[in-house]
Amino acid sequence: QVQLKESGPGLVQPSQTLSLTCTVSGFSLTSYNVHWVRQPPGKGLEWMGRMRYNGDTSYNSALKSRLSISRDTSKNQVFLKMNSLQTDDTGTYYCTRDQDNWYFDFWGPGTMVTVSS
Amino acid sequence: DVVLTQSPATLSVTPGERISLSCRASESVDTYLHWYQQKPNESPRLLIKYASQSISGIPSRFSGSGSGTDFTLSINGVELEDLSIYYCQQGNSLPHTFGAGTKLELK
Repeated sequence: QVQLKESGPGLVQPSQTLSLTCTVSGFSLTSYNVHWVRQPPGKGLEWMGRMRYNGDTSYNSALKSRLSISRDTSKNQVFLKMNSLQTDDTGTYYCTRDQDNWYFDFWGPGTMVTVSS
Repeated sequence: DVVLTQSPATLSVTPGERISLSCRASESVDTYLHWYQQKPNESPRLLIKYASQSISGIPSRFSGSGSGTDFTLSINGVELEDLSIYYCQQGNSLPHTFGAGTKLELK
């Protein structure tokens, strides 16, 4: 069955770099796009960027200077790296997928990231 | 970026009533408008795709309508398990933006 699961450090110090991994199963990264979406505590959802099935990437312009998304298809993993973290980057980070149909049908459980010294 | 404005921010409901939630786009998104339900401490769940298309496994009391800039999510006979936050999302252009959400609470 289709599964996505985020993993990474729960705590990151201000100004440091966040590294998250989305491990998928039940589908191929060469057939589906994987997106990262985040949610600050008690707030709404923000689309961060995506890794497309063909290896292309797109980013939210508000984050583009700090964000990088990559993948390892042999390991069924998509990676997020974001530098210069600040306290307002605290929140739950989700990976989700679509198939060039622009809606997200499966989501990971999310991973909570706290930016604090 | 396309801005999605959801209203109301909070809606107090009585079980059994029919309700409508609104999502308005700052520019036309055609029918590339999707709805999600999010319960506390859970991931969002896709409810409706392309404004009005149903999703397998989602109760039939959920329906959607609209095109262009004005969209509605309706729940015909609210149940207690529907008390959640509902988000709209546009897929017409990047960045894929979400509305701020409508929270359903018990009256």
